[in-house]
Parts: sequence; structure tokens; C-alpha cells
Amino acid sequence: GAVVSQHPSRVICKSGTSVKIECRSLDFQATTMFWYRQFPKKSLMLMATSNEGSKATYEQGVEKDKFLINHASLTLSTLTVTSAHPEDSSFYICSAWPAASYNEQFFGPGTRLTVL
Amino acid sequence: KQEVTQIPAALSVPEGENLVLNCSFTDSAIYNLQWFRQDPGKGLTSLLLIQSSQREQTSGRLNASLDKSSGRSTLYIAASQPGDSATYLCAVLAAGGTSYGKLTFGQGTILTVHP
Repeated sequence: GAVVSQHPSRVICKSGTSVKIECRSLDFQATTMFWYRQFPKKSLMLMATSNEGSKATYEQGVEKDKFLINHASLTLSTLTVTSAHPEDSSFYICSAWPAASYNEQFFGPGTRLTVL
Repeated sequence: KQEVTQIPAALSVPEGENLVLNCSFTDSAIYNLQWFRQDPGKGLTSLLLIQSSQREQTSGRLNASLDKSSGRSTLYIAASQPGDSATYLCAVLAAGGTSYGKLTFGQGTILTVHP
């Protein structure tokens, strides 16, 4: 149990376009999902916390208008990178918290974004 | 602000050695600590999770300890194998308050086990 999927696993896009990444909890409901970014050979940095039915909470330094997060249901959160630039190229990982649980977060397999 | 540090940054050992990876954190107000493995270009695999009230957890050849008061955790890998080669990440979950739900990661230890 506790499986989280991400789609797509890899995406290449042109500069100026928008890209949507989906994060789904497959066998549990997640009231809270988290989005992380990982630069090459670096650790994960929390970008934002996504709560179902409410606005996401962004970490300091993360542009809200650049990284749009929508948590429309208890099993799906989306991250849209708007007007992508090469510096947005990175590995994006989501995690999900089972409802009514403050404990282990379950991670998706990640999405590799390359902006040309 | 929580800071997590992992030492060493990289480690290369011959197969069969027992080894220890270290993790330290600055704020002892944690809910739990988790060790992950990450293979190149892949996501995270959870290895062990230790609750703040626990001292250690074991899974197979892995043993993780936690000393919350001193802000330290160690991951012990027994009889290392080439398949253990990966980056090992330590992460702490905040106990609550303004950092509610925040998982803070260390920079990782890159482990290479050579035959």
C-alpha cells in the first residue's frame, strides 16, 4: 500500500511553454501533498505544501505565479510550471500524507523536466 | 530553522565492509527521522523511519539509531554489497508549530561499494 505516482516521468519542453505534472495517491486519500525540487547532486528542497480544497503554501523564495499548485481532490495534486525557462530544469518530486496521519510521507518517483 | 548535515559527503568502500553514515540536526523538536536511498535519476526509497520516542530501527542489514537530545542519527550498513551503492539521505519531520509537516533533508552521502 501507500503508493504515489507521478506523471509524466520525463518531459522536455521549449522555453516559454507551460508544463503540468500530476501527483496521485493510488491507494489512500491524501489531504496534504508536498512538492520538492532537486538540483543535480543536491538534496531535496521543499517548494510548497498543498492542502486539498485550499490554496497551497509556498516556501520562501518560490514564485507562486511560476509554480502553480492545485490540489483538487484527495488523490490528486498538480504542479504547473508556467512560462518555463532553462533554469526551471530540475527533478520534481511529490509526496503525500495519508489523511488524519502526521507521520510518514510517501514519495512519488519524480519527474525530470528539461526546458530547452 | 532546521538544518540537517550528513557526514561523510561521499564514501567508497570494498565489498563486505561494515559502514556508518552520520546525520545531525540542529533542532531537536522532531516528530520522526527517516533514512532514504536514492539511485541516480530515480526517486526516493524509504529505508527506515524512527519515531522521536524510539532509539533505533532495524531492517535486514540496516540499523538506524536516533539520539534526539544530541541531534544525531547513524545508519549502519552491515556487510556492504555493490548493490548498496546509491545516495543515502536523512530527513527529519518537524514536530509541529510553524514548521508543521516540513521534512528537512540532508545533503546526502554518496556511497560506492566496489567488488
